[in-house]
Amino acid sequence: AQSVTQLGSHVSVSEGALVLLRCNYSSSVPPYLFWYVQYPNQGLQLLLKYTSAATLVKGINGFEAEFKKSETSFHLTKPSAHMRDAAEYFCAVSKAGGTSYGKLTFGQGTILTVHP
Amino acid sequence: ETGVTQSPTHLIKTRGQQVTLRCSSQSGHNTVSWYQQALGQGPQFIFQYYREEENGRGNFPPRFSGLQFPNYSSELNVNALELDDSALYLCASSLGTETSYEQYFGPGTRLTVT
Repeated sequence: AQSVTQLGSHVSVSEGALVLLRCNYSSSVPPYLFWYVQYPNQGLQLLLKYTSAATLVKGINGFEAEFKKSETSFHLTKPSAHMRDAAEYFCAVSKAGGTSYGKLTFGQGTILTVHP
Repeated sequence: ETGVTQSPTHLIKTRGQQVTLRCSSQSGHNTVSWYQQALGQGPQFIFQYYREEENGRGNFPPRFSGLQFPNYSSELNVNALELDDSALYLCASSLGTETSYEQYFGPGTRLTVT
């Protein structure tokens, strides 16, 4: 079984400050890991994904995440927050490889607020 | 290129009724997955359809059923609606069932059961 824990349901930062959203996973098999963003009244948009290549993954909008197997973590960071980054962020895990019917297991989400 | 679309946008139903939600996949995608997102929660996997066949199911009762059509669009049907079925229902399409393929999500259908 797989699971994801996102530490902090709400994170608030000032514009220009570092963004750090935490994600820890549990998986009995090698995982693929994903970060999605959801703006109000919209679906989910993929920010980045780890599929067993480089452990430091760069995504869209200046976000990046590092896969740390020893810590079972996949934290999302951005050096400098913009107002447009305000949204809800979801970490998700799936089984690596094969046709594991693409099932994504999501965390509870973290709402990011950016203050001027 | 048209993205994933869902209809209707919002729906209000009464407990015990049945509902059908629709999803049009992105051009070239043959796989559709459905997720339920309750308020304040992350999405939960309901099931996936690949080339018109169910290809995996999450922990949802049989009253949740689906279809995929030859053009790869899909329907989610829920019978005997319960209050807890109130949620945002998301569909996602992808090029195939490989877990590395990106899933492209639609905007969702907001279902309210009263």
